Amino acid sequence: NAGVTQTPKFQVLKTGQSMTLQCAQDMNHEYMSWYRQDPGMGLRLIHYSVGAGITDQGEVPNGYNVSRSTTEDFPLRLLSAAPSQTSVYFCASSYSWQGGSTEAFFGQGTRLTVV
Amino acid sequence: QKEVEQDPGPLSVPEGAIVSLNCTYSNSAFQYFMWYRQYSRKGPELLMYTYSSGNKEDGRFTAQVDKSSKYISLFIRDSQPSDSATYLCAMSGGVKAAGNKLTFGGGTRVLVKP
Repeated sequence: NAGVTQTPKFQVLKTGQSMTLQCAQDMNHEYMSWYRQDPGMGLRLIHYSVGAGITDQGEVPNGYNVSRSTTEDFPLRLLSAAPSQTSVYFCASSYSWQGGSTEAFFGQGTRLTVV
Repeated sequence: QKEVEQDPGPLSVPEGAIVSLNCTYSNSAFQYFMWYRQYSRKGPELLMYTYSSGNKEDGRFTAQVDKSSKYISLFIRDSQPSDSATYLCAMSGGVKAAGNKLTFGGGTRVLVKP
């Protein structure tokens, strides 16, 4: 029962470095999202996807890129890491339903520190 | 001003007490209201899900939504030390094209003392 798998779990980057956070789900969900969690801020949406080949920006997209070539995978790319991107990153997936919102399943998170 | 406001706590209660949590929001388009529980260093997990106004009960948990006041609550009866976690309220407009985007409150940390 893998659900949503994120790798790596921890990462330290130097300012200016780039990296990709991986996210994979095995539930055949159409929707996938990336959130970041900062103390007292809850989770804020970075980017989301409603299906393979379709992505859109969320609340805090600057400095991040995404692509979705398959239903299963939704990687998040940091183009040039900055200390302000130090955060815990969560990937989530959910199935689509014409009736409205559905349960989001979250991964275990990636703790990123940019020094 | 944030769309969803939630008291950060921490909220400390003795075992067996009732825990009362709440969120206020400003966006009248929200129709789906959820409570997620997050244990330390883990991802959030759905606890309660409510559509529009009303109450919903599931075991020791009761969720209430008052859309006229833009106010939602979660009550935990007979609280246990295992209920110690951060509780996040989340909301959605539920439109299919929106990709199930959720707007979260900041979370309330709850500590249930034995």
